[in-house]
Amino acid sequence: GAGVSQTPSNKVTEKGKYVELRCDPISGHTALYWYRQSLGQGPEFLIYFQGTGAADDSGLPNDRFFAVRPEGSVSTLKIQRTERGDSAVYLCASSLWGNYGYTFGSGTRLTVV
Amino acid sequence: GQQLNQSPQSMFIQEGEDVSMNCTSSSIFNTWLWYKQDPGEGPVLLIALYKAGELTSNGRLTAQFGITRKDSFLNISASIPSDVGIYFCAGRVYGTASKLTFGTGTRLQVTL
Repeated sequence: GAGVSQTPSNKVTEKGKYVELRCDPISGHTALYWYRQSLGQGPEFLIYFQGTGAADDSGLPNDRFFAVRPEGSVSTLKIQRTERGDSAVYLCASSLWGNYGYTFGSGTRLTVV
Repeated sequence: GQQLNQSPQSMFIQEGEDVSMNCTSSSIFNTWLWYKQDPGEGPVLLIALYKAGELTSNGRLTAQFGITRKDSFLNISASIPSDVGIYFCAGRVYGTASKLTFGTGTRLQVTL
């Protein structure tokens, strides 16, 4: 597609449940990033993929968070045993070869109740 | 996680006025970027700076990479209503691949 697509746009889940957030990057972009944006804050880095592999996952807050990109295109961010503190907008971005001209998606707003 | 300090936090200005905002870091950056975010959307890149002292323009926007490598400035001239939004600085620290550290944001509101 023309831009980075994220689904769903909104997700409400109960505390303790498992959620998956999907990101479709721009076709041909090898680099993919996940960021998390809490209310009133700037985006915070979670993980960076170059192709299929996670080149840097230092931003994942704990082992409840995991992300995959099995074919080097679509990526899924998985959160287990969700907590209220996980509520935020999860942003995905992609770029060519890891340059800084990221294109961000519109994000998935996750609310844990 | 670390966030860069941006100031001011928010500003109300009149259409036609010039706007200045800045961003500071405790770390040395080798790349500074400025983004704008509209409600319900992801950030959009406005300007990228790659060298200390660099001054770059994009239309009515001008940004500078500070000489100390620890700060950056964004100026918007002759503001218009569509400049409303949240402006974020972002930087890359040496040796951290493509990971960006974002600022806390400056919310700009333009009145007619």
